[in-house]
Amino acid sequence: GQQLNQSPQSMFIQEGEDVSMNCTSSSIFNTWLWYKQEPGEGPVLLIALYKAGELTSNGRLTAQFGITRKDSFLNISASIPSDVGIYFCAGPFKHTDKLIFGTGTRLQVFP
Amino acid sequence: DSGVTQTPKHLITATGQRVTLRCSPRSGDLSVYWYQQSLDQGLQFLIQYYNGEERAKGNILERFSAQQFPDLHSELNLSSLELGDSALYFCASSVRDGSYEQYFGPGTRLTVT
Repeated sequence: GQQLNQSPQSMFIQEGEDVSMNCTSSSIFNTWLWYKQEPGEGPVLLIALYKAGELTSNGRLTAQFGITRKDSFLNISASIPSDVGIYFCAGPFKHTDKLIFGTGTRLQVFP
Repeated sequence: DSGVTQTPKHLITATGQRVTLRCSPRSGDLSVYWYQQSLDQGLQFLIQYYNGEERAKGNILERFSAQQFPDLHSELNLSSLELGDSALYFCASSVRDGSYEQYFGPGTRLTVT
């Protein structure tokens, strides 16, 4: 079945650094979503991408829809302690509303 | 706050028991989704309802069932519980069928002992 692999699995960075993570699939996706989950909370939608090559920002976050449609990237600039959490990519399974979630990238930010 | 509410926040029960998890979607959202999150399986889609009707099914066990009521709230029923059913259960909602932007509730942590 479709799987979304995220890398890196975890990151330990210093406050103020920029962060890059990616999500890859063996299948084509027509939509990419990025979520953030903090401990004890539900995933929060950060960015949605609908077009190959699209670059979308949300504050210090920027996400890109890869041109092959098999990958997506998320960048966080000037990280702060509240960026801590697990970042998931997700995409709809074929043409359904069923979301397939990636394996997650755990981000830890040190002051 | 996503606007999606789930109750209870925590649930501890014994093997073989049955529980009901409740979800209220965001105001105006017609679609409700249920997901299970466990350490070894990650976030897995269980089932979707749209305006009271089942729309899509994932790898939901036969011991699990769900429904969406006329007021659009949804319930997930888990029966004959096993230790392996211990997980976080999330409800999400979206405006309409075919909207991929889903908004998640805070989850219910189920512990089966």
